Amino acid sequence: QVQLVESGGGLVKPGGSLRLSCAASGFTFSDYYMSWIRQAPGKGLEWVSYISSSGSTIYYADSVKGRFTISRDNAKNSLYLQMNSLRAEDTAVYYCARAMRTTTVTTPFDYWGQGTLVTVSS
Amino acid sequence: EIVMTQSPATLSVSPGERATLSCRASQSVSSNLAWYQQKPGQAPRLLIYGASTRATGIPARFSGSGSGTEFTLTISSLQSEDFAVYYCQQYNNWPLWTFGQGTKVEIK
Repeated sequence: QVQLVESGGGLVKPGGSLRLSCAASGFTFSDYYMSWIRQAPGKGLEWVSYISSSGSTIYYADSVKGRFTISRDNAKNSLYLQMNSLRAEDTAVYYCARAMRTTTVTTPFDYWGQGTLVTVSS
Repeated sequence: EIVMTQSPATLSVSPGERATLSCRASQSVSSNLAWYQQKPGQAPRLLIYGASTRATGIPARFSGSGSGTEFTLTISSLQSEDFAVYYCQQYNNWPLWTFGQGTKVEIK
C-alpha cells in the first residue's frame, strides 16, 4: 500500500534551517509529481512547493520562494524540503503529498503523509 | 491567485441527517475541484475529485456537484466517523493550488 512518512521536523530558532524528508513506498515513486503542503496550528492548508517526477520542474509558493528548496532522489524513493531563513510564520505541520495523476499537473493529491511539525521560536 | 471560500465555517448536524457544504471559487476552476476530509491529528484524506468523482474507497453517502465557481459536498446521512473538517481545493490554476479555509462538521 502507498505510504509516505515524513521526518526531520523540530524546534528551530528564527533564521535557522531545517531539512525535511519524506520516504515513499508502495508505488513507483519516480512516476509521480510530489508536493509539500503545510498547516499552521489550528489553521487551514497551504500548498508550499511542487516537484515534477524527474525533478526538472519546480514551483514554490511566494511565501517560501528564495528560502525553501524542494528536491527528490528517485533512487532512494525520497522527497526533501530544505528550509532556510525560517520565520515564526513557517511554524506548521508539513505534509508530503502525492499528485494523483502522473501525466498532468491538473491533479489533486491522493495520498498524504502523517506530517512533521516544524516550530520556529526563540 | 484563486481564492476558495467555504461556507458555513461550522455546521452542526445530528447523526443520520444530511449535511451540505459549499465552496466558491473567485474565478472559474472548471471541474478541477477536490474535497478532503481531515480528522484531528490526521492528514487530509481525498474524498472527491473532478468535482463529483469519489476517490477510491469513499462511501456513496459522499457526493459532490458543481462546476465553474460554485461547488457542493453533500453527506447524505451523517455517520459518527464523518464529524471532521472538510476542505475544498482547486487544482485548475497551477502552480498556485489553493484550499478553502475549511468547514467543521460537528455533532448537534
